[in-house]
Amino acid sequence: QKEVEQDPGPLSVPEGAIVSLNCTYSNSAFQYFMWYRQYSRKGPELLMYTYSSGNKEDGRFTAQVDKSSKYISLFIRDSQPSDSATYLCAMNTPGGSYIPTFGRGTSLIVHP
Amino acid sequence: ETGVTQSPTHLIKTRGQQVTLRCSSQSGHNTVSWYQQALGQGPQFIFQYYREEENGRGNFPPRFSGLQFPNYSSELNVNALELDDSALYLCASSKTGQGSSYNEQFFGPGTRLTVL
Repeated sequence: QKEVEQDPGPLSVPEGAIVSLNCTYSNSAFQYFMWYRQYSRKGPELLMYTYSSGNKEDGRFTAQVDKSSKYISLFIRDSQPSDSATYLCAMNTPGGSYIPTFGRGTSLIVHP
Repeated sequence: ETGVTQSPTHLIKTRGQQVTLRCSSQSGHNTVSWYQQALGQGPQFIFQYYREEENGRGNFPPRFSGLQFPNYSSELNVNALELDDSALYLCASSKTGQGSSYNEQFFGPGTRLTVL
């Protein structure tokens, strides 16, 4: 079993839909939880990070962490075709040299 | 502010050859990490350099080696290339020493290596 599990998709939704992307993990020591967006032929870019449990909102994006279930989510409201990309979850433990463990990514397609 | 740059963009090598990939970190950053991203997978940590020394290593064999230079730029060297080394190689820079356990990494566009 991998430390971080993420459904690769693809997930295809119509423009304007609410998108839910999820990851599960097995290492209870993870405290920092990140979501990256990766467009084709580009490097990942950080969308949001959350420390420990709870919710965090940034514009159309909301990140949720449920440490009791070892489950994290990213919600995208009013999805746009420009949101079409691969979304990677990542997490790491406190301290050390900050080396995140990534999920394999979910491919999202938002069609007009 | 200049972002992370990598060269070359694409590279084709044959099995057994050696390759060097280069990365220039973002201005003000002192730490460079290298990742391997196979098709359809998430990035896998190779190693990290801080103050020109290796500061952590993932589960990669010794034929993967690196360097960091005084200007914080970095190289990734891979010897005796294998077919499975075909992947996107990503460099990420960050600033260590801010007193936080979370240091945001900024990724470059990657070098796509194909081994035939």
